[in-house]
Amino acid sequence: DADVTQTPRNRITKTGKRIMLECSQTKGHDRMYWYRQDPGLGLRLIYYSFDVKDINKGEISDGYSVSRQAQAKFSLSLESAIPNQTALYFCATSDVGQNQPQHFGDGTRLSIL
Amino acid sequence: GQQLNQSPQSMFIQEGEDVSMNCTSSSIFNTWLWYKQDPGEGPVLLIALYKAGELTSNGRLTAQFGITRKDSFLNISASIPSDVGIYFCAAKGSGGSNYKLTFGKGTLLTVNP
Repeated sequence: DADVTQTPRNRITKTGKRIMLECSQTKGHDRMYWYRQDPGLGLRLIYYSFDVKDINKGEISDGYSVSRQAQAKFSLSLESAIPNQTALYFCATSDVGQNQPQHFGDGTRLSIL
Repeated sequence: GQQLNQSPQSMFIQEGEDVSMNCTSSSIFNTWLWYKQDPGEGPVLLIALYKAGELTSNGRLTAQFGITRKDSFLNISASIPSDVGIYFCAAKGSGGSNYKLTFGKGTLLTVNP
């Protein structure tokens, strides 16, 4: 979805480095999400936020942190990257309400050496 | 935890053939979604289903929300080369879990021209 922008699109870094992935949206949605995709495993939820400064853990939050300082932006950080965090990372947004689907950005491919 | 069993894992078909894939679960869900992911891009919503028994079409795509609320299928008729990609089912619960999307592991579709 062109209204959900992720930066960078690709990143290669070394073990132990701190990494920040950014997500911004122009959809005006309150809810934002970070997912991780690994081959053959589908998408798994890392963190989600329902509003500015609201932070909630997903199913695989260990080793990650997030920040939601504005409605349009949701950043994901890896404080000390390790090789098994090599994956494709997706940001998504949704409006409030049960029937509101999630809309995804184009992903960040992260490789940790 | 909740899991979606998506099958088949992959399909290799000839252009013009029909395709069918499905997702099943031991848990009840209130919303079923089908997404497609093209290489290098994020998942894009194809069809959303909100009521048990609902049958919805989007062009050559048809999806149904199972009457038991534990399954869904997606059919693609008269496949074309641009149908190539990974198809994901996803489902949401109700109440406090209505934000959370559970994903299947995906069906990789290859269409031979």
